[in-house]
Amino acid sequence: AQTVTQSQPEMSVQEAETVTLSCTYDTSENNYYLFWYKQPPSRQMILVIRQEAYKQQNATENRFSVNFQKAAKSFSLKISDSQLGDTAMYFCAFMKRDGNYGQNFVFGPGTRLSVLP
Amino acid sequence: SQTIHQWPATLVQPVGSPLSLECTVEGTSNPNLYWYRQAAGRGLQLLFYSVGIGQISSEVPQNLSASRPQDRQFILSSKKLLLSDSGFYLCAWSGVARGQETQYFGPGTRLLVL
Repeated sequence: AQTVTQSQPEMSVQEAETVTLSCTYDTSENNYYLFWYKQPPSRQMILVIRQEAYKQQNATENRFSVNFQKAAKSFSLKISDSQLGDTAMYFCAFMKRDGNYGQNFVFGPGTRLSVLP
Repeated sequence: SQTIHQWPATLVQPVGSPLSLECTVEGTSNPNLYWYRQAAGRGLQLLFYSVGIGQISSEVPQNLSASRPQDRQFILSSKKLLLSDSGFYLCAWSGVARGQETQYFGPGTRLLVL
């Protein structure tokens, strides 16, 4: 079974600074997808960024980028120029196609990020 | 574009009362649908998933049940609520959006059982 680990329960960063959130996963699959979701105080889960495992190029979305290390099974999220609105819980997630599920999603426990003014 | 709705947004129910939470998806057909529960400050616990009408799989034994009467409708129910059923319930759909497979979440329902 796949597992997703986020070793940092809480982090803080000063506004305008850069912060990196860690995520590692365990799988024997070769084809899969990885995601970062953001959950602000409103508790709406928002997709931040996704990465296909077969792509070597790291995904980027504006101020958000990932460092995907497939051999190390690591998928960290870098937030540049942090803004107060980035304060949220961040979840790392793994997905593979599954004959029963369609898509089998596994979520990490989350990292609570606080952006300080 | 795809949209996912959940209602009610907030619900306060006494112990032993029934429950019905509804989730509907627009803008896609034959989505995979999921019910998650999230305790305060915690991660997501997958409760049920469905790959088609009438096809429900349960991940955690409990007093909750789920049904999918229509392609884009997913309902979470209970005959008698327990205090431990309190939490934040998220519905999600997964499939291909903008050429990419991913999972999108509804706004959630806050349930407080007293």
